Amino acid sequence: EVQLVQSGAEVRKPGEPLKISCKGFGYTFTKYWIGWMRQMPGKGLEWMGSIYPGDSETKYSPSFEGQATISVDKSINTAYLQWSGLKASDTAIYYCARLNLPMVPFDFWGQGTLVSVSS
Amino acid sequence: DIQMTQSPSTLSVSVGDRVTITCRASQNINMWLAWYQQKPGKAPKLLIYKASFLDLGVPSRFSGSGFGTEFSLSISSLQPDDFATYYCQQYNPYSPYTFGQGTNLEIK
Repeated sequence: EVQLVQSGAEVRKPGEPLKISCKGFGYTFTKYWIGWMRQMPGKGLEWMGSIYPGDSETKYSPSFEGQATISVDKSINTAYLQWSGLKASDTAIYYCARLNLPMVPFDFWGQGTLVSVSS
Repeated sequence: DIQMTQSPSTLSVSVGDRVTITCRASQNINMWLAWYQQKPGKAPKLLIYKASFLDLGVPSRFSGSGFGTEFSLSISSLQPDDFATYYCQQYNPYSPYTFGQGTNLEIK
């Protein structure tokens, strides 16, 4: 059974760094892109970027380029999303999801990680 | 970026109704269009990909159509489990992915 399991909720202060994770189970992790989406409170979904674990190729949305970094450790089937210095506006739920390209977009999703940033 | 515009933003409906949600792309995306269902506190769930293909396990009352810039999601007879928010998403391989703003189905 395909599963993406994300790390737990985080509470941070503005300016603090953070790295959240997404671990894949039940499929060949290196053969499928992983995407990250943001959902701000009460708002819609926004694609932040995607990474291909096989070779770490990464694509970012122009809206998120430079705002956060996507990385992967294929030895432990885990993708990451990290910030060097959080802002209050980063408060959101972050989802990872598997891309089953070229035909199918995000077919399996993680449960989401709530990130709260407040002083 | 390709802008995706859904309408309506909210739809008040009853069990048994036929429902249609539309999604318009700001430029041609061929058939690279997906629909997702999201319930409160849950991750989105893929319903339809490539404009009209049902994902595995999705009930046949859901259907998708369209090509180019105009797309629609239809539910033939609304069930209690279908009250949720629905998002379209374009995944044109030559552009950043973008989602519509969502359509909330609420009980009339």
